[in-house]
Amino acid sequence: GAVVSQHPSWVICKSGTSVKIECRSLDFQATTMFWYRQFPKQSLMLMATSNEGSKATYEQGVEKDKFLINHASLTLSTLTVTSAHPEDSSFYICSARDMTSGRGTGELFFGEGSRLTVL
Amino acid sequence: AQSVTQLGSHVSVSEGALVLLRCNYSSSVPPYLFWYVQYPNQGLQLLLKYTSAATLVKGINGFEAEFKKSETSFHLTKPSAHMSDAAEYFCAVGNQGGKLIFGQGTELSVKP
Repeated sequence: GAVVSQHPSWVICKSGTSVKIECRSLDFQATTMFWYRQFPKQSLMLMATSNEGSKATYEQGVEKDKFLINHASLTLSTLTVTSAHPEDSSFYICSARDMTSGRGTGELFFGEGSRLTVL
Repeated sequence: AQSVTQLGSHVSVSEGALVLLRCNYSSSVPPYLFWYVQYPNQGLQLLLKYTSAATLVKGINGFEAEFKKSETSFHLTKPSAHMSDAAEYFCAVGNQGGKLIFGQGTELSVKP
């Protein structure tokens, strides 16, 4: 089946630095990808919708200058956490929609997640 | 607007017993409904989905769910729990745009 890969799986960084997380669709093209954030023992909160070739759409309360999203190709979206602070520590998960599957949300695939720890 | 409520943040069953995880949704448009499973430090795996076809949906690993519009529910069941079913389960509601709204999650424990 379709696979979505995230890199890195784990990252530890110092406060004030920036961290980039990649989300790749390995065997399908995805014009739309979604970025979620998950705190320990909590649900996934949608952060933004990443659109290939255009600006990302951010959910209310998500700082777009803090969480930079770039969807440069049909198989890659990146999330950059800028000037990271300890409160940004979280599990970040992306999902990608397989455009070849047809209509609707029937074929959404999730990455394995990236755990960010900011010291 | 769409929302999902999962009743019970933690459910514990004995191995071989029935599993029932509850999910109620709210949606102003015909919903697409999903159940996902998450193991520790991993992403999400789709168990099953409802997209306006049959109301009884069968998924992987013996799970199934029934869409009940009158009750706005989409409860997940499995006749006989296995130890390997212990995980976090998320119900989600979505639309054609692909954006999903997740419930709070239910942690399933299976006792030997």
